[in-house]
Amino acid sequence: DAKTTQPNSMESNEEEPVHLPCNHSTISGTDYIHWYRQLPSQGPEYVIHGLTSNVNNRMASLAIAEDRKSSTLILHRATLRDAAVYYCILTRSSASKIIFGSGTRLSIRP
Amino acid sequence: NAGVMQNPRHLVRRRGQEARLRCSPMKGHSHVYWYRQLPEEGLKFMVYLQKENIIDESGMPKERFSAEFPKEGPSILRIQQVVRGDSAAYFCASSRDSSGGANVLTFGAGSRLTVL
Repeated sequence: DAKTTQPNSMESNEEEPVHLPCNHSTISGTDYIHWYRQLPSQGPEYVIHGLTSNVNNRMASLAIAEDRKSSTLILHRATLRDAAVYYCILTRSSASKIIFGSGTRLSIRP
Repeated sequence: NAGVMQNPRHLVRRRGQEARLRCSPMKGHSHVYWYRQLPEEGLKFMVYLQKENIIDESGMPKERFSAEFPKEGPSILRIQQVVRGDSAAYFCASSRDSSGGANVLTFGAGSRLTVL
């Protein structure tokens, strides 16, 4: 399975945008890029996914590099509730399960 | 529209006892996944099931652990003769189907097992 690389941790200020990077240089043409997050003491939560084009939803935006070797999850205005571990995951059409890496632990300063 | 329901939320067992964790998928979802998260560690895939079938159990320990998803009723993760190292949070997820890389999983709140 193609691997992703994320920073171990990041900090941001409340009410400011947050850009969470993810590198996936071995991505294949049919791999989707998914983001999940896990708030403290809760189950993981789906955030967003995309294939080639940038994507927006009510939670976040996903910016995908033209060569697809990297992507960025954008939280437009961080709140304290966004403090969580964010996982960038590649999912292949031939595989049904998702495999979590170690993710990025995001802290938000009030 | 209830999400993925897991129970019990907390379970305490003594070494050697059995633990049964239940998961009811979202309405309309026929695919169930179990993950384990040890304290301060990441999520590890355990098993993927469809109704009455185990599709992928590559993450299940070879002994003491089993899972089922019967035609009627919730999916069950069963741990026999529990040991202290089984203490963890067990998360269940469900999806409508598994086709394509766009498959999105919905997770439950987890069952936290403590083995004394």
